[in-house]
Amino acid sequence: DAKTTQPNSMESNEEEPVHLPCNHSTISGTDYIHWYRQLPSQGPEYVIHGLTSNVNNRMASLAIAEDRKSSTLILHRATLRDAAVYYCILKNNNAGNMLTFGGGTRLMVKP
Amino acid sequence: NAGVMQNPRHLVRRRGQEARLRCSPMKGHSHVYWYRQLPEEGLKFMVYLQKENIIDESGMPKERFSAEFPKEGPSILRIQQVVRGDSAAYFCASSPGAGEWNEQFFGPGTRLTVL
Repeated sequence: DAKTTQPNSMESNEEEPVHLPCNHSTISGTDYIHWYRQLPSQGPEYVIHGLTSNVNNRMASLAIAEDRKSSTLILHRATLRDAAVYYCILKNNNAGNMLTFGGGTRLMVKP
Repeated sequence: NAGVMQNPRHLVRRRGQEARLRCSPMKGHSHVYWYRQLPEEGLKFMVYLQKENIIDESGMPKERFSAEFPKEGPSILRIQQVVRGDSAAYFCASSPGAGEWNEQFFGPGTRLTVL
């Protein structure tokens, strides 16, 4: 299975942009890149996903490297409510339809 | 439009009892997934069901655990003869389809405590 590598933790100031990196050097051509986050004591929440092109939605932006071996989740203005564990996940139905969660990045937001 | 619902939210059982966890997927979703999060650990996939069928149970412990998703009613995760090591948060998710692009919508979880 293609794996992802993320920093264990990151810190940000409120109202500033946050760039959360993810390395996936063994990604295959059919792997979709998904990001989920888990707020304290809650279930995971979908954030964004992409295949090759950069993606934007109301929550975040996803920047995918040209060789697809890394990606960056961008929160344009961090709020205290964005403090969570962020998971970068590769999804490919040839390996099953489940989400394989790694350790994720714990984002702390300072007021 | 109600999200994924799970009940109970908290469940306490004594060793040897049975635990039944229920999950109602989002309206229109026929794909259900169960995940488990042990204390201070990450989320681990357990089982994937599509109405009346188990599609992938590669993450389910071989004994004591079973899951179903009947034609009518919620999906049920059943743990027989619970042990302390079963204490965890159990999350259910649903999706409208099986494509790689489909997002999964998670419920709030059931926190099982085994005394």
